[in-house]
Parts: sequence; C-alpha cells; structure tokens
Amino acid sequence: GAGVSQSPRYKVAKRGQDVALRCDPISGHVSLFWYQQALGQGPEFLTYFQNEAQLDKSGLPSDRFFAERPEGSVSTLKIQRTQQEDSAVYLCASILSGRSDTQYFGPGTRLTVL
Amino acid sequence: RKEVEQDPGPFNVPEGATVAFNCTYSNSASQSFFWYRQDCRKEPKLLMSVYSSGNEDGRFTAQLNRASQYISLLIRDSKLSDSATYLCVVNKGYSTLTFGKGTMLLVSP
Repeated sequence: GAGVSQSPRYKVAKRGQDVALRCDPISGHVSLFWYQQALGQGPEFLTYFQNEAQLDKSGLPSDRFFAERPEGSVSTLKIQRTQQEDSAVYLCASILSGRSDTQYFGPGTRLTVL
Repeated sequence: RKEVEQDPGPFNVPEGATVAFNCTYSNSASQSFFWYRQDCRKEPKLLMSVYSSGNEDGRFTAQLNRASQYISLLIRDSKLSDSATYLCVVNKGYSTLTFGKGTMLLVSP
C-alpha cells in the first residue's frame, strides 16, 4: 500500500514568508509525528497527534510553528514569518496505534529560507 | 549532554570488513531501542529493534546493555550498499523517538 507522503518535497521561502507543509499518513494510522532534521543532525521531535488530538507539542521551537490534524488524517505544519534557522528537512511519520509500533517516515520536505 | 550520543564518524571500511557502532543514552527510563538507517537525502528507515538479549538479522547484530545505557550495532561482511548513516534511536515509552546525530559508514571496494 501507499506509504507516508509529504508535499511539497522542496520549498524555498524568503525570510518572513509563511509556509505550510503537508503530510498524508498511511491510511488508518492513528498517530502522527513531525520531526525537524537540520543538516548533519538526527531528526528532532516537534509534535505528536493521536487522531485529531495534539498530545505533545513540546518540541515546537517557537510560537511561529503550528501544527494541526483536524480530521485525524492529513496534517499540516505551518511556519509563520520564516527565519533562516528554520531551514531544515521536515519529516512526518505515522504509526498504526501502539507504542511499540514501527514509525514509518515520509520522504520529508526540504525547506530553504533565504 | 544530548540524550543519545553517537560517534559521527565517518567510518571508512573496505568491503567484507566487520564494523561496530556504539551509542549511549542518558534517560534510564527509556523503554525501547532501535537502529535506523538513513541514506543520503532520504528518510530514516527502521533497520532493527534492539533487545537486552541481543538480536541478529543476517549480517547485523544489535545489543543493549541497560545497566550501562549502551547500545551497539555490529555489521559483518560489509557491502557497498551498507554505506549510509546509522541512527541510534530510543523511545521513552510514549512513541516519540529520540535520535542520535547518526554515524556515517562508507564502504569502499
């Protein structure tokens, strides 16, 4: 079946511009995660949804970052007034349900802020 | 101190060599452990879970030492296709994964 998909795959934004990144998890997967991966670093947790509920947003670096999953499937990560330090790959992952289920990652969105 | 620490490498090895990666984690409450593989400009993919009893998957062997908070990955008979970054990952029990920076492996002919 289809894996996790993300769009756009690449995004170039001017500093100060707002961006929206989309994640389509695997159909039926209850939990969805967003991670940020800077160059040369491992992915770092941003936020976590179980169905439509955002259960943990402790990793969001500032109030410019906002995520939603209104119907418990597709999720959008929005970054307002982008800064150069926001340049990174944004990865989305989903799991079926349980704590120990394997996380399946999407291909990521590479954001470059000029 | 980062929660998960790894030697970033790169490890340069010839084909057929055996190579070992180590990782330490700081949170003793961590409950599950994994090695993920990430190819250049690709997403991370699960390589294997890691258990205290040690586990093997073909040429790959993973080991966990909870007392020392130490995780290892051994790759035997390295192939060119093993070239990638290997990410040590821990789960504190509510699904959110904490990743190390990764160890880069380069296997040469």
